[in-house]
Amino acid sequence: DAGITQSPRYKITETGRQVTLMCHQTWSHSYMFWYRQDLGHGLRLIYYSAAADITDKGEVPDGYVVSRSKTENFPLTLESATRSQTSVYFCASSELGQGAASYEQYFGPGTRLTVT
Amino acid sequence: AQKVTQAQTEISVVEKEDVTLDCVYETRDTTYYLFWYKQPPSGELVFLIRRNSFDEQNEISGRYSWNFQKSTSSFNFTITASQVVDSAVYFCALSEATGGFKTIFGAGTRLFVKA
Repeated sequence: DAGITQSPRYKITETGRQVTLMCHQTWSHSYMFWYRQDLGHGLRLIYYSAAADITDKGEVPDGYVVSRSKTENFPLTLESATRSQTSVYFCASSELGQGAASYEQYFGPGTRLTVT
Repeated sequence: AQKVTQAQTEISVVEKEDVTLDCVYETRDTTYYLFWYKQPPSGELVFLIRRNSFDEQNEISGRYSWNFQKSTSSFNFTITASQVVDSAVYFCALSEATGGFKTIFGAGTRLFVKA
């Protein structure tokens, strides 16, 4: 399917477990992003990537790890899940426009993660 | 540091009323981009508009219009003759050129349009 997909869509895990959320895009966009959405906080950037093998921290990176070995994939790993990481996670991708212009982001459908 | 403030947490209007969603941003960059996204009750995030810092022209798209004012660091969004289908959470966002184009979102404004 064309576009940006996330898996799983729903996940329940226990405190202390490692969890990996997958994100795949078919547009070959340079930029990819991970956000978490919590009530009252809007969308907060966890990590982003400008290209394969280039990643950088966002606003709330603690407790998360990312990698980007291929342009189309950008997995997010919670190394030891905590209850505070219960949230809806959105992946997004974007291309860098002419003259290094920032273009709009295209979002995946989200992953609802519950940590018990 | 970049920051986006959407002071209105929730707004409730009756259908056909006009409504304005406020967005105030902070940035030290001279080159930056502003966005509005819509998140309907179904949960997906939908891009509405992008504006760069060098283009202060207001924009109108159907019932939607955007007012960008650098002097007040604001990028407000107006829906004219609101409809029930406009009920959603609306996010304003800022992307700085020197920040590697990472995007910071406001907390969002939830709009309820009652029939």
